[in-house]
Amino acid sequence: GAGVSQSPRYKVTKRGQDVALRCDPISGHVSLYWYRQALGQGPEFLTYFNYEAQQDKSGLPNDRFSAERPEGSISTLTIQRTEQRDSAMYRCASSLGLEDTQYFGPGTRLTVL
Amino acid sequence: SQKIEQNSEALNIQEGKTATLTCNYTNYSPAYLQWYRQDPGRGPVFLLLIRENEKEKRKERLKVTFDTTLKQSLFHITASQPADSATYLCAPQGGRRALTFGSGTRLQVQP
Repeated sequence: GAGVSQSPRYKVTKRGQDVALRCDPISGHVSLYWYRQALGQGPEFLTYFNYEAQQDKSGLPNDRFSAERPEGSISTLTIQRTEQRDSAMYRCASSLGLEDTQYFGPGTRLTVL
Repeated sequence: SQKIEQNSEALNIQEGKTATLTCNYTNYSPAYLQWYRQDPGRGPVFLLLIRENEKEKRKERLKVTFDTTLKQSLFHITASQPADSATYLCAPQGGRRALTFGSGTRLQVQP
């Protein structure tokens, strides 16, 4: 595709509900990253995939957060039993793999009421 | 712990002047450092990457320096234009593929 796409762009949910955020990387990009960005801050790393393998999940805040990339392309970030503190912009990025120049998607704005 | 510092105050300059943004880092030995631009409501966009063995890198009106002794990178935009107004993020990188970003500096170029 032309760029990284994410869906939904906006998600409003009630506390305690599960949400699934989707990322479709640039075609051919090996590496895929999830970040979370608070207002006025830079993106904060959550997790990273190389092909379908989750290489680093050290940034996931707790075990309510999980991510998968089963076929090495599209990825899903799942947040279980959402809490108000989970409200943020969730950004996905992909890269070809070598120089680590990352291309970011437009993000999903999650609001937990 | 690792820390990245960018001036949190907005930088306001007149059109045509050179903008200089600073990125300082501590407890880090990055192999390279990246600069990104972010416009309101959009994702960061890659601008430049500079390696630890490079002192300076240029791309059109942009220039980045990387001083591993001072643990500092400077980002310059010459002949600035109102369209350069945005938030600029630095990301020193070493040890893992994922980026660690500073909080960014907002640049406002006045016509």
